[in-house]
Amino acid sequence: GDSVTQMEGPVTLSEEAFLTINCTYTATGYPSLFWYVQYPGEGLQLLLKATKADDKGSNKGFEATYRKETTSFHLEKGSVQVSDSAVYFCALSLDSNSGYALNFGKGTSLLVTP
Amino acid sequence: DAGVTQSPTHLIKTRGQHVTLRCSPISGHKSVSWYQQVLGQGPQFIFQYYEKEERGRGNFPDRFSARQFPNYSSELNVNALLLGDSALYLCASRVQGNYGYTFGSGTRLTVV
Repeated sequence: GDSVTQMEGPVTLSEEAFLTINCTYTATGYPSLFWYVQYPGEGLQLLLKATKADDKGSNKGFEATYRKETTSFHLEKGSVQVSDSAVYFCALSLDSNSGYALNFGKGTSLLVTP
Repeated sequence: DAGVTQSPTHLIKTRGQHVTLRCSPISGHKSVSWYQQVLGQGPQFIFQYYEKEERGRGNFPDRFSARQFPNYSSELNVNALLLGDSALYLCASRVQGNYGYTFGSGTRLTVV
């Protein structure tokens, strides 16, 4: 079945360090790909998305490129801030019998220290 | 503009009881979905509704049911609660099409 695999956390970085969170997917068809972020005690916020191969999603300094050949959608940021500390979820969506339901990875916790 | 609103924010129930969770989508959003997020895990899809019809259902038992009303708000009902139903229940809405969902802050359900 369709699935998303994320790197295990927690990831601990110093402020201004470079961030990469790996995400790979398995899907029958051509999914749309998403990164969501969840701050403590809150719901999920859409961070960025890409709907077709080679698309690059970007927002708030975060970027991810939809790589069909490697079935990947890795999240990157050049210089993290303490306020980026949160849990990050990679997700895919397909027009299947679940009607574009989101299929999430397990999440990667990021802690940025001053 | 108001985002996706869910009520209540927190709830404590006893095993065997029934619970109803409510969700109001963003104005203009006709599609509503429900997700269950167990602590430390990613959200799991429960239901999707569009124009008051069920358009998708995840791998959850029949104790879980939902409906969507003419104003596009939605209810999630869970019967015969089990301890394992303790989780954050998230509602999300979107315009039709695959453009990503906007999530509410969730209802934290604790079953004791």
